[in-house]
Amino acid sequence: GNSVTQMEGPVTLSEEAFLTINCTYTATGYPSLFWYVQYPGEGLQLLLKATKADDKGSNKGFEATYRKETTSFHLEKGSVQVSDSAVYFCALSGSGGGADGLTFGKGTHLIIQP
Amino acid sequence: EAQVTQNPRYLITVTGKKLTVTCSQNMNHEYMSWYRQDPGLGLRQIYYSMNVEVTDKGDVPEGYKVSRKEKRNFPLILESPSPNQTSLYFCASKWGSGANVLTFGAGSRLTVL
Repeated sequence: GNSVTQMEGPVTLSEEAFLTINCTYTATGYPSLFWYVQYPGEGLQLLLKATKADDKGSNKGFEATYRKETTSFHLEKGSVQVSDSAVYFCALSGSGGGADGLTFGKGTHLIIQP
Repeated sequence: EAQVTQNPRYLITVTGKKLTVTCSQNMNHEYMSWYRQDPGLGLRQIYYSMNVEVTDKGDVPEGYKVSRKEKRNFPLILESPSPNQTSLYFCASKWGSGANVLTFGAGSRLTVL
């Protein structure tokens, strides 16, 4: 079945540091890949997505590239801010599971210190 | 505003007392789904619905029921809650099948004593 593996936290960084959150996946077919973000006390919201190999998703300074050869979708940001503190979920969809609901990783709690 | 609305947001109940968590969306989405979020386990799908009167089990359906009598509503029913159903629950919806973007509700935190 489908699965998503991401680094677990908490990950603690100083403001303006470079961020990488690793995500790898196992899936049949050609899934779409997503990063969702959950701010404290809120639901999940889409951060970015990529629907085919070599696509790059980007939003709010975050980027992730769909690498089929390494089955990865790592999230990066060049200079993090305190407001980026949240839980980040890598997810995949499109291989038919749950009628194309999302398969999530366990989430990475990111803490940015001033 | 396009949104998914869940109620209640917080609930403390006791073992065996039936409860319903409501979910409503105003985007005319065909697909709706329930997830539970637990520490160290991420989000797991409970049930989903492709359209009115069409529902199916997700990864962790035991102890839950759902219904889809109207397109906008997808309530989650716990007939006899147990402490292992203490969790944070999210409802979500999207257009049709396929890899479309899910819109999530704000979550319902349930505690079963």
